[in-house]
Amino acid sequence: NAGVMQNPRHLVRRRGQEARLRCSPMKGHSHVYWYRQLPEEGLKFMVYLQKENIIDESGMPKERFSAEFPKEGPSILRIQQVVRGDSAAYFCASSHTFIRGTGETQYFGPGTRLLVL
Amino acid sequence: GQQLNQSPQSMFIQEGEDVSMNCTSSSIFNTWLWYKQDPGEGPVLLIALYKAGELTSNGRLTAQFGITRKDSFLNISASIPSDVGIYFCAGQKGETSGSRLTFGEGTQLTVNP
Repeated sequence: NAGVMQNPRHLVRRRGQEARLRCSPMKGHSHVYWYRQLPEEGLKFMVYLQKENIIDESGMPKERFSAEFPKEGPSILRIQQVVRGDSAAYFCASSHTFIRGTGETQYFGPGTRLLVL
Repeated sequence: GQQLNQSPQSMFIQEGEDVSMNCTSSSIFNTWLWYKQDPGEGPVLLIALYKAGELTSNGRLTAQFGITRKDSFLNISASIPSDVGIYFCAGQKGETSGSRLTFGEGTQLTVNP
């Protein structure tokens, strides 16, 4: 699954600061998903985007969190005024358009580990 | 919210042994996937299953999509030390683009040489 890039890999913020996480999807993929993983838990869906559009943000907290996927450049997950509970690993996944019979496999990046002090 | 029940939570086995883990759900999924996650890395896709009853292999790994579409299992034969990691099942409901993955809580596998 070479190609899903995330940066930074590790991010340390103090309470109240902003965190910006970046994701570049695999070449040819136009669908981006963000997931959050708390320690020793599975991944939880946050938001699904296509180029310039947020399609499903039902898993994302309504306050302080936002996401975008501009026409040019990476997808950004932005967390404003971070709190300690935001400490987690944030993963981006990308996929091509759904194909009947083979579905829409999501390929994951290496994640950004956010630590809020 | 929707949950997948994955078991066992952890396994400690000897090198060469076979391993089996499974996932169940209270609702139907149209796709089942199995991922492996190494420490500090993202999940890597192992096997994807698209049809109820489907049995698919990838080397020493075999996975099945349950007939009821509410469960799946993963078998690893003749385990080796590099099989160590966390294995996640994931279900996908949709049959169009944009279908989120719902993950199990993971099975931590330890292989003793």
